[in-house]
Amino acid sequence: GQQVMQIPQYQHVQEGEDFTTYCNSSTTLSNIQWYKQRPGGHPVFLIQLVKSGEVKKQKRLTFQFGEAKKNSSLHITATQTTDVGTYFCAGAYSSASKIIFGSGTRLSIRP
Amino acid sequence: DAGVIQSPRHEVTEMGQEVTLRCKPISGHNSLFWYRQTMMRGLELLIYFNNNVPIDDSGMPEDRFSAKMPNASFSTLKIQPSEPRDSAVYFCASSNRGTGFDQPQHFGDGTRLSIL
Repeated sequence: GQQVMQIPQYQHVQEGEDFTTYCNSSTTLSNIQWYKQRPGGHPVFLIQLVKSGEVKKQKRLTFQFGEAKKNSSLHITATQTTDVGTYFCAGAYSSASKIIFGSGTRLSIRP
Repeated sequence: DAGVIQSPRHEVTEMGQEVTLRCKPISGHNSLFWYRQTMMRGLELLIYFNNNVPIDDSGMPEDRFSAKMPNASFSTLKIQPSEPRDSAVYFCASSNRGTGFDQPQHFGDGTRLSIL
């Protein structure tokens, strides 16, 4: 079946270091969404990417959608303790198909 | 604005018992989703509704699980009989417009279910 692969599974960084998580699909995606889930919390929508090669920024967070619309990345510059949580990508193969969540990347930070 | 409201927040019950989880979506949203989250399997879509109609229930694990949406402001997920392997956090989410998958999903706080 269709899968959205996400790596790495875990990332432990020193506060102030950068962080990147990657999502890959074997087939072209219609769109990709990113969510953040704090420990003990629920997933919270961050952003949606639709266009090939699209890049969006939210303060220290940079989101990219690949040219072939098969991969995406989330990059956090200069991590802070408030960035702790699990980051999920969620891809849809068409606007009418269900989205499939990646397995998530759990980010922990050493103060 | 009120978000997605789920109840109960926590449920502990013995295996074999019936469990009913409840969800009130955001007013005006026309799509509703039920997810299950475990360490082993991650976040799984169980079923989703569009305009109160079940569209895809292929993620429902087995016949012990059933979901209903009698109106636009209420949905239930029922497990009967419950088993220890059903222990998980169950999330409800809603979104507005269209089929739902091209719009952000808003998640409730979840129900943490423990079956003993």
